[in-house]
Amino acid sequence: KNEVEQSPQNLTAQEGEFITINCSYSVGISALHWLQQHPGGGIVSLFMLSSGKKKHGRLIATINIQEKHSSLHITASHPRDSAVYICAVGGAQKLVFGQGTRLTINP
Amino acid sequence: NAGVTQTPKFQVLKTGQSMTLQCAQDMNHEYMSWYRQDPGMGLRLIHYSVGAGITDQGEVPNGYNVSRSTTEDFPLRLLSAAPSQTSVYFCASRRDIEYEQYFGPGTRLTVT
Repeated sequence: KNEVEQSPQNLTAQEGEFITINCSYSVGISALHWLQQHPGGGIVSLFMLSSGKKKHGRLIATINIQEKHSSLHITASHPRDSAVYICAVGGAQKLVFGQGTRLTINP
Repeated sequence: NAGVTQTPKFQVLKTGQSMTLQCAQDMNHEYMSWYRQDPGMGLRLIHYSVGAGITDQGEVPNGYNVSRSTTEDFPLRLLSAAPSQTSVYFCASRRDIEYEQYFGPGTRLTVT
């Protein structure tokens, strides 16, 4: 079993829909990261959080430390949100990554 | 700031050849890492460094060497390339474990 599991693996939605991507982990962590990778490969950090909730524009990330679970929400989704979203959890010095969720938003 | 830079962007090697993937950052970050990304596998840690002169192995270190002689540079050396090393390689850096990670643009390596 992977230490970091994301669901769903693939998600297709219509523009404007509310999107939720989930991340569950089985290891102790100091922080959880959400990353975005667009076609063409560049990886960008969206959030780093160790408790509670963070919001940036239309993106919201939450974490429940007790349940070892995090969610990434996108409100009013747009085709430019189409990308792979990656969850990563951080221990003492290393990050462990989930396999990613491929999100496609159709106009 | 240029952030994290990687060279080359693309490379084709023949089996048995050696090469060095370059990575540099201008943010004075102590932590630097090398990852490989393969379809269906996610990002996997090859080697990492917590400061100049200090390196350690990650999840998939075999066939790769690293060194960290300066804070800025963290090159990855392929000793004798194998087709199994065909992958996209990302270098990343961060100020400390409590800070976000910055990724380079990646190097797409093909070994034939």
